[in-house]
Amino acid sequence: DSGVTQTPKHLITATGQRVTLRCSPRSGDLSVYWYQQSLDQGLQFLIQYYNGEERAKGNILERFSAQQFPDLHSELNLSSLELGDSALYFCASSSSAGNYREQYFGPGTRLTVT
Amino acid sequence: DAKTTQPPSMDCAEGRAANLPCNHSTISGNEYVYWYRQIHSQGPQYIIHGLKNNETNEMASLIITEDRKSSTLILPHATLRDTAVYYCIVRVDYSGNTPLVFGKGTRLSVIA
Repeated sequence: DSGVTQTPKHLITATGQRVTLRCSPRSGDLSVYWYQQSLDQGLQFLIQYYNGEERAKGNILERFSAQQFPDLHSELNLSSLELGDSALYFCASSSSAGNYREQYFGPGTRLTVT
Repeated sequence: DAKTTQPPSMDCAEGRAANLPCNHSTISGNEYVYWYRQIHSQGPQYIIHGLKNNETNEMASLIITEDRKSSTLILPHATLRDTAVYYCIVRVDYSGNTPLVFGKGTRLSVIA
């Protein structure tokens, strides 16, 4: 157990819909990252937040957005869903303190768009 | 971040050492070598990282060549539970708060 929680575990929705994925980082971790893993693209970084502020952006579509709240949990919003958005979405967190250089990943949310 | 090259797949007999190679010939002096693994659609798991010295922890050892252009991850006594995709990642990381760039990794199959 990494200490990172993600909800829901599975999500099935239709094209054109909007969904929200939720992530709770490890206690005290200020950085939250979102990654997408699809069969054809592999694991890709989407976006990072650090203590409520956007820190880095990867291959995130304009239809996707994220935010990190004061309690440090984060949400990834996916809208106008397409079949190609079907993937595993992982959240990870890391600490800025000391020598902690690893990212801890949650169990992921499997999104299926039909 | 420097690019890495890993073999797409490897087999290892249970109980034997698994040696996973990674080439990173364009690595810069301030880039670290990280290893993560992903067991069947679970979230990736950190294994080990190093800059230039060899490193060992409870999971694995990391051997980095003197010129730092390649490295080897060693699982000393592989078990069936070590079957996973192993990712070698090179990145500048002063604070531990930068995104990871995953390649295709090596799919390690541990065989009984």
